[in-house]
Amino acid sequence: GENVEQHPSTLSVQEGDSAVIKCTYSDSASNYFPWYKQELGKRPQLIIDIRSNVGEKKDQRIAVTLNKTAKHFSLHITETQPEDSAVYFCAAGVTGNQFYFGTGTSLTVIP
Amino acid sequence: DVKVTQSSRYLVKRTGEKVFLECVQDMDHENMFWYRQDPGLGLRLIYFSYDVKMKEKGDIPEGYSVSREKKERFSLILESASTNQTSMYLCASSYTETQYFGPGTRLLVL
Repeated sequence: GENVEQHPSTLSVQEGDSAVIKCTYSDSASNYFPWYKQELGKRPQLIIDIRSNVGEKKDQRIAVTLNKTAKHFSLHITETQPEDSAVYFCAAGVTGNQFYFGTGTSLTVIP
Repeated sequence: DVKVTQSSRYLVKRTGEKVFLECVQDMDHENMFWYRQDPGLGLRLIYFSYDVKMKEKGDIPEGYSVSREKKERFSLILESASTNQTSMYLCASSYTETQYFGPGTRLLVL
C-alpha cells in the first residue's frame, strides 16, 4: 500500500511568518492529496486538496504544491495567525479508494 | 451542513469486554470509515464501507469488526477489548473524496 511521510512533526513560527509542511508518498498511482486541520479537541476538517493533474492550488493564505516526479507535496501557510495553531495532516490516495494519512504536524503560531 | 455523530465522546471499558462504537451520518453518504488516532501515528484506517452490508479491511483491522446494516450507520465492534486498543476513534463519511469526520470517541480500556 501507500506510505506517506510527513515532516516536521512540530513547527513553531512567529505570527505573520510563513509555515511549510512537507509530505512524501510512495505510490505513483496516488492522484488525490488532501490536507486536514485538527484544532485541539475538535475533529479533522479538510482545508485544501490537490489532484495529480494540477501542480499548485491556492486558497487565500494557504497553498499546496505537488511534485509528481519527486512524489512530494507541501502545504504553505502565509501570514500565520494564532488561529492557525493546530495539527495538520496530509494524505494521499487514489480517487475512489482509501487514503493514507501522514503522522501529523503540530503547528504553533506564537503571538 | 454534513453532520457525523458518534455515540459517545468518552468510554471506559474493562479488558475482555465487547465494545460497540456507533457512527451516524445524515447526508446519505455511501462511504463510511473508522480510524484510530494515536500520538505520533496519525490516523490509521481500521475498516471502511462503500455500501450497506459491505465492508473492507483497512490497515489495522485485527481485533475489530464492523457492521453496516443501514446506509447512515456504521458500527465498530471490539470483540474482546484489550489495553492496546485504548485510543481515540474517529468515524468519517464521504460522497466523493472529501471525508467528514465525527467528533471522536476516546476509549480507555482498563
